[in-house]
Amino acid sequence: QKEVEQNSGPLSVPEGAIASLNCTYSDRGSQSFFWYRQYSGKSPELIMFIYSNGDKEDGRFTAQLNKASQYVSLLIRDSQPSDSATYLCGGANYGQNFVFGPGTRLSVLP
Amino acid sequence: NAGVTQTPKFQVLKTGQSMTLQCAQDMNHNSMYWYRQDPGMGLRLIYYSASEGTTDKGEVPNGYNVSRLNKREFSLRLESAAPSQTSVYFCASSVGTAPYEQYFGPGTRLTVT
Repeated sequence: QKEVEQNSGPLSVPEGAIASLNCTYSDRGSQSFFWYRQYSGKSPELIMFIYSNGDKEDGRFTAQLNKASQYVSLLIRDSQPSDSATYLCGGANYGQNFVFGPGTRLSVLP
Repeated sequence: NAGVTQTPKFQVLKTGQSMTLQCAQDMNHNSMYWYRQDPGMGLRLIYYSASEGTTDKGEVPNGYNVSRLNKREFSLRLESAAPSQTSVYFCASSVGTAPYEQYFGPGTRLTVT
């Protein structure tokens, strides 16, 4: 059974701080990883994807992938109240389907 | 550009009733997916269609059937609804199967009483 695990939270951080969201996966064959943000009552929207070991930055967001440790993370710098949402981590091997984690609920306190 | 659309947005069914959830995408994507989302469970794949003319089971297919009507449309049918099928259903599409990112529709909130 391929699994993706996340701490369900809630993770609370003050406005302006760095939020760190973590995800581990069981399938060593997983090649691609995605972070989706989901506001309450809304559909998931893609934030970032990462395929290679190391860091990938996009604005205030940085995704980090360590395939040896089967670990992927998302850092949100200068967190804003509008970042309060559930963050879903998903991983897949090429040609196969994504397995999503249960999501981490982030709360950014003004 | 509408992206992925789903109908209906909300539905209440009685146990044993049937219904079809509709999904359409206008992005010329090859692959389409149906997920259900329950509290604390994340997204679980019900069925997917890697390309027009093909469908395959996902993680939780029991009680559901699908039809890939054409490249744009992918429907999900509940033949005899059960309370355990109360959930939020999301349709998604992507250029192809992994590693391509998936784009989600707005969801259908289904309650079975």
